[in-house]
Amino acid sequence: NAGVMQNPRHLVRRRGQEARLRCSPMKGHSHVYWYRQLPEEGLKFMVYLQKENIIDESGMPKERFSAEFPKEGPSILRIQQVVRGDSAAYFCASSLILGQGRGELFFGSGTQLSVL
Amino acid sequence: QKEVEQNSGPLSVPEGAIASLNCTYSDRGSQSFFWYRQYSGKSPELIMSIYSNGDKEDGRFTAQLNKASQYVSLLIRDSQPSDSATYLCAVNANTGNQFYFGTGTSLTVIP
Repeated sequence: NAGVMQNPRHLVRRRGQEARLRCSPMKGHSHVYWYRQLPEEGLKFMVYLQKENIIDESGMPKERFSAEFPKEGPSILRIQQVVRGDSAAYFCASSLILGQGRGELFFGSGTQLSVL
Repeated sequence: QKEVEQNSGPLSVPEGAIASLNCTYSDRGSQSFFWYRQYSGKSPELIMSIYSNGDKEDGRFTAQLNKASQYVSLLIRDSQPSDSATYLCAVNANTGNQFYFGTGTSLTVIP
C-alpha cells in the first residue's frame, strides 16, 4: 500500500548540470502533478500529466524544464542547465479522478533540490 | 486565472481553543474542496475533503462549505501544539481536473 514515491529525497547539483526528479504515483492513480515550493511560499503548480500525455503545462517555465510520464515507469521532471534560482522543494502528487471534479490529491515526500 | 485566497497569518491560539481558518475562491464552478496540513520541511498531508454545502466533521476537524459565498473554512477544536503547521486550502474546478492551492495559513498553538 505504498503512497506516492519520489526520489531522490535530496539532490545537489552545480550550476549548469541537469537534474532529474522521479515520481511513482500511488497504485491505481494515473494522474500526476508536479509542484514547486520555495521556502516560506506556497505551492506553485508546474505540470499535470496522465500516462503518455501532458494535460496542462501552464506552470512550467518555457525553457530548461520538461516533464514526462511514460507508459511504463515513473514520471520524470527534468531541469536542464540548473541555476541557483531552481533551488526549491519539488513535490509530486497523484490522484484518482472520480468524475465531477472529485478525487483527492496525495503528495510524495518531495525532492529538495540544491544548486551550488 | 482561478484564485484561492487565504490569510497568511500567522494565527496564534492557546492550547484547547478553537482555531478557525478561512479560504475564498474565485471560480464559481469549483466542485471539490480540500484542506491540507504541512509541517515545516514536510510534504502536504490531506486532512479534509468536502464536496457539498454545509459542515463535515472528522474528529476535532470540521470543514464548512458555502458555495454561494465561495467560501470554505476549517475549524480545529481543542487545538493542540501538534496542530501547529501551515494549512493549505485547495480547490478542484470541475473542468480540467486541476487543483488550485492557496498560499497557506500558518497556525501556532501556544501551550
